Amino acid sequence: DGGITQSPKYLFRKEGQNVTLSCEQNLNHDAMYWYRQDPGQGLRLIYYSQIVNDFQKGDIAEGYSVSREKKESFPLTVTSAQKNPTAFYLCASSLIPGQGADEQFFGPGTRLTVL
Amino acid sequence: AQSVTQLGSHVSVSEGALVLLRCNYSSSVPPYLFWYVQYPNQGLQLLLKYTSAATLVKGINGFEAEFKKSETSFHLTKPSAHMSDAAEYFCAVRPKAAGNKLTFGGGTRVLVKP
Repeated sequence: DGGITQSPKYLFRKEGQNVTLSCEQNLNHDAMYWYRQDPGQGLRLIYYSQIVNDFQKGDIAEGYSVSREKKESFPLTVTSAQKNPTAFYLCASSLIPGQGADEQFFGPGTRLTVL
Repeated sequence: AQSVTQLGSHVSVSEGALVLLRCNYSSSVPPYLFWYVQYPNQGLQLLLKYTSAATLVKGINGFEAEFKKSETSFHLTKPSAHMSDAAEYFCAVRPKAAGNKLTFGGGTRVLVKP
């Protein structure tokens, strides 16, 4: 089955530690995205990538980093510089941006809790 | 910058009653519009999308939405609520000319009472 997988489902981190969230897709999509979800705030874009080896900052990139070495994979690192990292993180993918009203497909999410 | 407003962070409906979730956007040019549903601790699933082909859009699970340019609205409705409709619903917009960056509303959580 085609889809997006995220791992782990739950992640606990101590303050001061970096953690990496995994996102893999087998939909052959060119674009991938990372969102952060907090209660009552909808989804906010962290980073996105439209092509391998290229990515752009979203609205709340500070304290996060990404890489896009393969088309299928777009890992997100939450660094110790992120002041309030506890949140639900969602990865998404889509066809090449700009080609009509192509929707984004979402993974099941990773819930990160900082202890 | 585009913005999306969902009126009401929580909506409570009785089983069998009409579900109406409101979404208004700010844009001088009609964008692409989407409604997503999220069940607890899960990702988002697309309910329907507006692509300018028709103003009344039918989606999955009996939902539909009507695009009204004069009101800059894209409200979501379902004639008869089912217990399984309890979830959070997000309206999102994407400009037609600016890649594929979505802007999401704050979400509306739907509670269905038996």
